[in-house]
Amino acid sequence: AQKVTQAQTEISVVEKEDVTLDCVYETRDTTYYLFWYKQPPSGELVFLIRRNSFDEQNEISGRYSWNFQKSTSSFNFTITASQVVDSAVYFCALSLRSGEKLTFGTGTRLTIIP
Amino acid sequence: GAVVSQHPSWVICKSGTSVKIECRSLDFQATTMFWYRQFPKQSLMLMATSNEGSKATYEQGVEKDKFLINHASLTLSTLTVTSAHPEDSSFYICSAQKSGTANTEAFFGQGTRLTVV
Repeated sequence: AQKVTQAQTEISVVEKEDVTLDCVYETRDTTYYLFWYKQPPSGELVFLIRRNSFDEQNEISGRYSWNFQKSTSSFNFTITASQVVDSAVYFCALSLRSGEKLTFGTGTRLTIIP
Repeated sequence: GAVVSQHPSWVICKSGTSVKIECRSLDFQATTMFWYRQFPKQSLMLMATSNEGSKATYEQGVEKDKFLINHASLTLSTLTVTSAHPEDSSFYICSAQKSGTANTEAFFGQGTRLTVV
């Protein structure tokens, strides 16, 4: 069975600070996919990134960056120069095949203080 | 991009009544759709996998007679909460997998907030 752990339940930072959201996963499969989603107060899930288990390259997209380390089974998400609009709940998730059912972490509620 | 539409976005119903939620893929065919439930301030938990033309596969602990799933076409899956009770109040969200493709992310609907009074 798969498991995703997001140890940080809530984080608050002042605007313009950098913040890292942690994600640790467990699976016995060698092929898997990792995801991050943003859930604003309206409830919809906003897709941020998908990474397969064979691609350990870090990725940067604007103010967002992701650090995937198989050695520690972690897939951490960093927001640089945070903005109030980044306030949301962020979920890390895992699936064994892309597009299929997801195992979600418990989420991290991020609050950016203006 | 692929669009998944859920309807309604929110619904309030009386205890004991049934509520139907639709999940529709607007611009692609979806052989498989997934239904998740999210209680307030909690994570999303998979309820069932909906397969077009066959019975849904339910996760352990989910009552198949209470949460009826129908996937009669390649673009529509429905979830019916039968004899709803206040403890069924939750956020229900679906995702759809594009048929015939691999290596794509799941596409989520916008979710349905159900309140049973």
